Amino acid sequence: EAQVTQNPRYLITVTGKKLTVTCSQNMNHEYMSWYRQDPGLGLRQIYYSMNVEVTDKGDVPEGYKVSRKEKRNFPLILESPSPNQTSLYFCASSFRGGENTEAFFGQGTRLTVV
Amino acid sequence: GQQLNQSPQSMFIQEGEDVSMNCTSSSIFNTWLWYKQDPGEGPVLLIALYKAGELTSNGRLTAQFGITRKDSFLNISASIPSDVGIYFCAGPPNAGGTSYGKLTFGQGTILTVHP
Repeated sequence: EAQVTQNPRYLITVTGKKLTVTCSQNMNHEYMSWYRQDPGLGLRQIYYSMNVEVTDKGDVPEGYKVSRKEKRNFPLILESPSPNQTSLYFCASSFRGGENTEAFFGQGTRLTVV
Repeated sequence: GQQLNQSPQSMFIQEGEDVSMNCTSSSIFNTWLWYKQDPGEGPVLLIALYKAGELTSNGRLTAQFGITRKDSFLNISASIPSDVGIYFCAGPPNAGGTSYGKLTFGQGTILTVHP
């Protein structure tokens, strides 16, 4: 089954404790992205990747890091989480960019930073 | 950056009613996507539009790509309780450029359907 898989689904952590949210897709997609969803703001892109070892900042990259060492995986790293990073996070992948860029989303990771 | 404005922000309707929502932008989009998000889940693509003026249906859902390329509409006919969720419009920004898989999302329309 074609899917985007995120782990964990739920995470509660303390301020400053490094964490990683994993994302994996089995559709051989080139493009992968991370979004955060906050009430009233829709989904905002954090980082995106066009291919292995190629990443760039989205609209809200501060406080986040990503890596793309393999085509299927795109982990999101919070080196020193803060309470304002409490949010619902989604990983997405798409076959290509440009105009035809239908994205497929994972089920989400709800992160709480206390 | 480019923004998408969705309206209404929320809707409360009776089962069986038709629903209309729209999405507007101050700049041109060459692709319009409509997603639905069920509670506790990720967004799922409903309809994709690639051509100005295009009208596309998916069951009880119909979406249109506005002629000006600055708006899009989603209609749901004969709503049922499982239509409940958040509906998002989205599109790749920087029309004519390279979006690298980036999507800009509207703020979402929260739909509640009363049985």
